Amino acid sequence: SYELTQPPSVSVSPGQTASIPCSGDNLGNKYTCWYQQRPGQSPVLVMYRDSTRPSGIPERFSGSNSGNTAHLTISGAQAMDEGDYYCQAWDHTTASVVFGGGTKLTVL
Amino acid sequence: QVRLVQSGAEVAKPGASVKVSCKLSGDTLNTLSIHWVRQSPGKGPQWMGGFAREQGKTLYGQSFQGRLKMTEDPSAETAYMVLSSLTSQDTAIYYCVTEASDCNPGPCFYYLDVWGQGTAVTVSS
Repeated sequence: SYELTQPPSVSVSPGQTASIPCSGDNLGNKYTCWYQQRPGQSPVLVMYRDSTRPSGIPERFSGSNSGNTAHLTISGAQAMDEGDYYCQAWDHTTASVVFGGGTKLTVL
Repeated sequence: QVRLVQSGAEVAKPGASVKVSCKLSGDTLNTLSIHWVRQSPGKGPQWMGGFAREQGKTLYGQSFQGRLKMTEDPSAETAYMVLSSLTSQDTAIYYCVTEASDCNPGPCFYYLDVWGQGTAVTVSS
């Protein structure tokens, strides 16, 4: 089955840029989505189709996808950006939705 | 504004079934499809299944084939999920999620969009 791999944690200082990677075999040939989950809350979509921000998501969030790795980048990270981030893609071979294991973003 | 409101927490015994409801507002089940995703304590989301408009059929995650039933009542704008043959491994928060589409540029790309507030299911004897 298709797997998406994320680092368990990423730390960034306030105002700096955080980049969260998500790796998968030929992931660049698929579209990825990203979800933010704050403690005790439901996930929220922050990026789809690799680099499209849903309405209401700040411009400091951006995305890219090439080769085997997709990235979610947060420019000028703020304390409110802390939480768990999950990448997701469709595996058309098995007709299933796949999530990465998640990355905990800490802003300190 | 699309919103999903789920039923309350459930406690079930091993071997039993659990039913979770998910009421849609702000849009209609005639234009949106619903998927189900669960999240075990301390783990990432796990897709269970849903109606995939790109494929035009209901899809199931490998772990749920044969014991997951997903239905809809369009008149009540409500979707339902029944998971049977429960074990302690099914203890998790269960979410319903809308499937949205972006057709500009084409072809259409379908993605999981709005999540319900979650329903905690505990399986314990």
